[in-house]
Amino acid sequence: ETGVTQTPRHLVMGMTNKKSLKCEQHLGHNAMYWYKQSAKKPLELMFVYSLEERVENNSVPSRFSPECPNSSHLFLHLHTLQPEDSALYLCASSQVWGPDTQYFGPGTRLTVL
Amino acid sequence: KNEVEQSPQNLTAQEGEFITINCSYSVGISALHWLQQHPGGGIVSLFMLSSGKKKHGRLIATINIQEKHSSLHITASHPRDSAVYICAVGGHFGNEKLTFGTGTRLTIIP
Repeated sequence: ETGVTQTPRHLVMGMTNKKSLKCEQHLGHNAMYWYKQSAKKPLELMFVYSLEERVENNSVPSRFSPECPNSSHLFLHLHTLQPEDSALYLCASSQVWGPDTQYFGPGTRLTVL
Repeated sequence: KNEVEQSPQNLTAQEGEFITINCSYSVGISALHWLQQHPGGGIVSLFMLSSGKKKHGRLIATINIQEKHSSLHITASHPRDSAVYICAVGGHFGNEKLTFGTGTRLTIIP
């Protein structure tokens, strides 16, 4: 039990669909992250929120839209995705944004047809 | 940009063997992380260190700041240690985001 949950665990969508990934942390942390893990590539940071404000946007295409309504919840809204966006999307949280241990959720395996 | 290189990429060993995984990075950092990823995707943070050595159970992590190098050791390896081990660094050029290595796939044979 990591204290970070993600839903759904698996998602298949067409290129014209709109879907959202949800992350929830029960650890009282102030920073939350979205990462993308593609096959045979290192983890890539997508977005960071600290105290509900976005502090990092790592040149992510606009078809990915994050939302952080409060310190416990993080969403990743998806629209008009491409097949190359198929990957494992991981959420993480830490007490602070900076040199701190990050706690990861189980991930959402996304397939774009 | 900080380059993070891990070696070896793949490692197969017999149960009980002493395991060493290496990580090198190219520019100064504030912290280095070792992570473990099991099949299915879940990632667990093992260590965060900025100097010296840390130990947790059978796992030991060391870092040499001058040489920009870290090692992860596993003593008395067990099949349940089979996983991908990932090194990540952060704090270079004042940027706190983590840069990740490609991982080392470890397989322990009973």
